[in-house]
Amino acid sequence: QQPVQSPQAVILREGEDAVINCSSSKALYSVHWYRQKHGEAPVFLMILLKGGEQKGHEKISASFNEKKQQSSLYLTASQLSYSGTYFCGTESLGGKLIFGQGTELSVKP
Amino acid sequence: GAGVSQSPSNKVTEKGKDVELRCDPISGHTALYWYRQSLGQGLEFLIYFQGNSAPDKSGLPSDRFSAERTGGSVSTLTIQRTQQEDSAVYLCASSPWTGTYEQYFGPGTRLTVT
Repeated sequence: QQPVQSPQAVILREGEDAVINCSSSKALYSVHWYRQKHGEAPVFLMILLKGGEQKGHEKISASFNEKKQQSSLYLTASQLSYSGTYFCGTESLGGKLIFGQGTELSVKP
Repeated sequence: GAGVSQSPSNKVTEKGKDVELRCDPISGHTALYWYRQSLGQGLEFLIYFQGNSAPDKSGLPSDRFSAERTGGSVSTLTIQRTQQEDSAVYLCASSPWTGTYEQYFGPGTRLTVT
């Protein structure tokens, strides 16, 4: 039931790109992405809805393949501030959101 | 406006004692969620309230855990006879509705069971 995220961790240099993947075994209505910095609460990044609608920050891009129940978050030209743990949350029937185990991203100067 | 607030921010309790954790959601938000985050781990779903519907309790780890939401607003998570494995950060989030709206997280309550 819990979505699977990959990779578990990634280290980047400033300016490099990264892709974080999220996969579910269940049919999905929506996928959420959040970022959590150490010692802080998770912060919303993006929602991708069944049917193609997306809501989120302009500088964040993501995709949602409904047939494969997969989503990917694209981080381009990474900045030091991108460091943190990224969680995908998937919504199936019933409305509750189940989060993956997280992907730890470290951006180095 | 005010965000989601949680109290206390830190709670240290002895094994076997009961604890109550409080969440004040954003005014007007109908959906409220509780999650547990153990050190270095992900967000474990506990319980979900949506309006006046019966809560989804499927994530509660044992019958020592319970939660209620009064008047569609404030929620209290109660852990009875606490165990050391209950030590974690308990996060509350609220949302205007379900699924298609972002969740706003509170700062969490760090629970330590000694």
